[in-house]
Amino acid sequence: GAGVSQSPRYKVAKRGQDVALRCDPISGHVSLFWYQQALGQGPEFLTYFQNEAQLDKSGLPSDRFFAERPEGSVSTLKIQRTQQEDSAVYLCASSTAGGSYEQYFGPGTRLTVT
Amino acid sequence: AQSVSQHNHHVILSEAASLELGCNYSYGGTVNLFWYVQYPGQHLQLLLKYFSGDPLVKGIKGFEAEFIKSKFSFNLRKPSVQWSDTAEYFCAVNGASTGANNLFFGTGTRLTVIP
Repeated sequence: GAGVSQSPRYKVAKRGQDVALRCDPISGHVSLFWYQQALGQGPEFLTYFQNEAQLDKSGLPSDRFFAERPEGSVSTLKIQRTQQEDSAVYLCASSTAGGSYEQYFGPGTRLTVT
Repeated sequence: AQSVSQHNHHVILSEAASLELGCNYSYGGTVNLFWYVQYPGQHLQLLLKYFSGDPLVKGIKGFEAEFIKSKFSFNLRKPSVQWSDTAEYFCAVNGASTGANNLFFGTGTRLTVIP
């Protein structure tokens, strides 16, 4: 069956540009998570949605980061005025309910800011 | 604050050797524990998880992990590794008692198995 998909897989942005990263979760999954994985590190939590409601955005590093899931399925992570420190792999995960259930991860989007 | 420590950054083993990867966590409450694996060029996949009950949990591909509450540890083991186990392994935790949904990950351990 179809897993979590993310697009684009690779994105190169010049510093100061805005980027939008897309996540298509597994159909029917209520919960959706975004993580940021810097080189040589484990994933770090950014934000969490239950259906269309953003219930936790405590991990977003600055107000340049914004996420939405308007219809409770596809989600977009937007980064405004990108900086070099934003370079990382951005992972999306979905699950049938909350965190006590397995999170299924997508392949990630590798963002490089030059 | 919650944290997860994986002390081994890179482990190199020959095929058929036994494996143990360490994971220690810091969390003020009841936890759910996970091990994820990332094979080269692939996405993160769940190896095994512990929520409650028997502290020895068995996962896919012959892996197991033991939750030792007194040591705040959840070490991953496999009695005999194969070349195909070459991957990055991540330990993760979330707070069952707080209802927190997000996972806290360790920095990962890269396993290289030499044929």
